[in-house]
Amino acid sequence: KNEVEQSPQNLTAQEGEFITINCSYSVGISALHWLQQHPGGGIVSLFMLSSGKKKHGRLIATINIQEKHSSLHITASHPRDSAVYICAVRISNQFYFGTGTSLTIIP
Amino acid sequence: DADVTQTPRNRITKTGKRIMLECSQTKGHDRMYWYRQDPGLGLQLIYYSFDVKDINKGEISDGYSVSRQAQAKFSLSLESAIPNQTALYFCATSDSRGESYNEQFFGPGTRLTVL
Repeated sequence: KNEVEQSPQNLTAQEGEFITINCSYSVGISALHWLQQHPGGGIVSLFMLSSGKKKHGRLIATINIQEKHSSLHITASHPRDSAVYICAVRISNQFYFGTGTSLTIIP
Repeated sequence: DADVTQTPRNRITKTGKRIMLECSQTKGHDRMYWYRQDPGLGLQLIYYSFDVKDINKGEISDGYSVSRQAQAKFSLSLESAIPNQTALYFCATSDSRGESYNEQFFGPGTRLTVL
């Protein structure tokens, strides 16, 4: 079973475009985590959300608990944003991870 | 210096060998986790520990064991490695207290190949 679905799986865009990555989940959660995995493999935490919206620089994350949906937005995208973006949901004491969205930003 | 370190970073071994992957953290977090990542799949939880005396199985614990030697150290063992344990392994930590409650921080990963 897959508690977390991400879309799209792959996304290619031109530098400067507004990017949206979606995450849907099927059960009640206590928190949602957005992560970035660099081409070299390292994983970095971007946001931890339980409600509403968070912003950090050009990144914005939103969550709608009733609709069981979260979005990650990147404004003024740049080639250095190219990475895999992973959504994870916390259910009880464990996190369940989506398969990731591979983002490529072309100069 | 990295807050969460893993050793080794790369390891090639043969079927049947015993392997230990080690994780250390300087973040002072109480919770530690071991995950594996396979191409096309999400990270899967192998084991987690909420303190030194607490060890819990995750989704895919068969073929693995762990030891929490201290709050800062959590090691993963493959008692008899098999080829389908070839994967990228990540250690992660989180803090059950404070503003970053349960936000996970990852080590750089260990690429394990079992021949």
